[in-house]
Amino acid sequence: GEDVEQSLFLSVREGDSSVINCTYTDSSSTYLYWYKQEPGAGLQLLTYIFSNMDMKQDQRLTVLLNKKDKHLSLRIADTQTGDSAIYFCAENFAGNMLTFGGGTRLMVKP
Amino acid sequence: DSGVTQTPKHLITATGQRVTLRCSPRSGDLSVYWYQQSLDQGLQFLIQYYNGEERAKGNILERFSAQQFPDLHSELNLSSLELGDSALYFCASSGPSGRETQYFGPGTRLLVL
Repeated sequence: GEDVEQSLFLSVREGDSSVINCTYTDSSSTYLYWYKQEPGAGLQLLTYIFSNMDMKQDQRLTVLLNKKDKHLSLRIADTQTGDSAIYFCAENFAGNMLTFGGGTRLMVKP
Repeated sequence: DSGVTQTPKHLITATGQRVTLRCSPRSGDLSVYWYQQSLDQGLQFLIQYYNGEERAKGNILERFSAQQFPDLHSELNLSSLELGDSALYFCASSGPSGRETQYFGPGTRLLVL
């Protein structure tokens, strides 16, 4: 089966780093994604990592992939109040459908 | 703005009714995906179309159907609606091979009363 799990909630102070974690089960996943959903809005693609990579950095975002442990993380540096949202990790299963985690709600306190 | 458009933005209807949700993919994308987001089930894949043909099917109910037209827009038809069908329905599209990164539309919020 393909299950993606995330912790439900994360609270950080503005200016701190946030780390959102995700575990997945399908070792044949080709790509792993991070999407952001703000209240009442759609899913915004933040970044993705190919399964043969360990790390990908994109401005304030760093994605780490540990294939052995099937663990994916998203680090947001210098977290801002505008980063408050729900973050979803997703794996690409069978080259088409995405399987999503339950989402992590990030709250950034000023 | 992802380039994927969905209409309507909101839909309120009654149990037993039928509705049609519409999606236009990004220019050049051949693949369209439909997902349902509900409080109890989270984000679930429903169905994928590629260049007019059904490519993959997820947990889509028999009361639900979809199609992709020659101009590549897609429609999701939901019939005999139940209270539990109330959810946010997303459409996503991806590029020529149908296996690239998926970009999501803003969603249609369906409320069944």
